[in-house]
Amino acid sequence: KAGVTQTPRYLIKTRGQQVTLSCSPISGHRSVSWYQQTPGQGLQFLFEYFSETQRNKGNFPGRFSGRQFSNSRSEMNVSTLELGDSALYLCASSLKDPLPGAQYFGPGTRLLVL
Amino acid sequence: DQQVKQNSPSLSVQEGRISILNCDYTNSMFDYFLWYKKYPAEGPTFLISISSIKDKNEDGRFTVFLNKSAKHLSLHIVPSQPGDSAVYFCAASGAGGSQGNLIFGKGTKLSVKP
Repeated sequence: KAGVTQTPRYLIKTRGQQVTLSCSPISGHRSVSWYQQTPGQGLQFLFEYFSETQRNKGNFPGRFSGRQFSNSRSEMNVSTLELGDSALYLCASSLKDPLPGAQYFGPGTRLLVL
Repeated sequence: DQQVKQNSPSLSVQEGRISILNCDYTNSMFDYFLWYKKYPAEGPTFLISISSIKDKNEDGRFTVFLNKSAKHLSLHIVPSQPGDSAVYFCAASGAGGSQGNLIFGKGTKLSVKP
């Protein structure tokens, strides 16, 4: 069974631009969560989607948004990029409810904002 | 304010000895605690979890201890192996909603020396 895949793996953008990251969950998984990892703040929860609906949201500004498609694939978008948005963005999927330990993480997309 | 804290950014242990990684939390509403292991260029991998109604959970070489009164948990790895060298994240879930929202500590980098 293929794992969680994220594209692209690496991305370089400049301040003010926008970016879209993609996540394909494990086949059959319907819940997708997104996290941001930075050296200073560690891993922080962005949002979680289930059945195309945002079910939970972390404490990030409105520039960060996401969506989930009917095939459970998810995208996250960051508009008006800032230098501080440079981070590793991780996606995690689970079957239905993201029960503890049942979330599987992808390898992440490393975003560098110049 | 950090709800989950890992106060030791790094830990070095000799192969065969015990590794003890510590984690403190502030929110008494958390109902599950998890440990993830992360290698460079990979997403976190679930290691072991513990429910707040238990005080110990064991899985092979890995044991997690929970002290609710002290709001403290620890991960014991016995015996430590060089392949255990990675960053270990403590995470908590359950407070205020979906378990898709994991609150992570900033991680402890474990180095196991041969």
